[in-house]
Amino acid sequence: AQRVTQPEKLLSVFKGAPVELKCNYSYSGSPELFWYVQYSRQRLQLLLRHISRESIKGFTADLNKGETSFHLKKPFAQEEDSAMYYCALSGGGTSYGKLTFGQGTILTVHP
Amino acid sequence: EPEVTQTPSHQVTQMGQEVILRCVPISNHLYFYWYRQILGQKVEFLVSFYNNEISEKSEIFDDQFSVERPDGSNFTLKIRSTKLEDSAMYFCASSDRGNQPQHFGDGTRLSIL
Repeated sequence: AQRVTQPEKLLSVFKGAPVELKCNYSYSGSPELFWYVQYSRQRLQLLLRHISRESIKGFTADLNKGETSFHLKKPFAQEEDSAMYYCALSGGGTSYGKLTFGQGTILTVHP
Repeated sequence: EPEVTQTPSHQVTQMGQEVILRCVPISNHLYFYWYRQILGQKVEFLVSFYNNEISEKSEIFDDQFSVERPDGSNFTLKIRSTKLEDSAMYFCASSDRGNQPQHFGDGTRLSIL
């Protein structure tokens, strides 16, 4: 079974502070991991995926298979980063394409 | 940039009535999905659809649910006899290949009275 856990429902930081949103997963095969973001009154949109290894809007995430984690990090948070962040997993085989989401973390960046 | 569009944005229906939620995926996409999010809970997978048939469905997607691609552009989710617990936000998504990032619509808020 696929499972994604985001332990923090709410996370508050001040502008310029580092931020880390935690994500742990459970999957027996080789998963593909994503971070989606939902800004206020906007749709879910892809922030980044582990295989592309890019930095988007200053965010990075490294897949740690040993710890089964895919934490999202940004060294200096900005007010415009305030949003809901979802970690999601896509497995292979018969679950090809199906996304399993975590509960989401609401990030608030204070001025 | 092309977008997935969903209509209506909000649907209010009496319990027991049928409801159809509509989605127009991105035009060159071949894989289509429905998810739902009950208020305060996580986004849950309902069904995936490819090549005019269901690829996978979750336990939530019982006989009351069906999906259809009636023409070359629309992708619909039908709930035959709605229950109070069907109240949720329903998201449609599409991708050009099976394991490529999915693009989501704005969602339809379904309220069952």
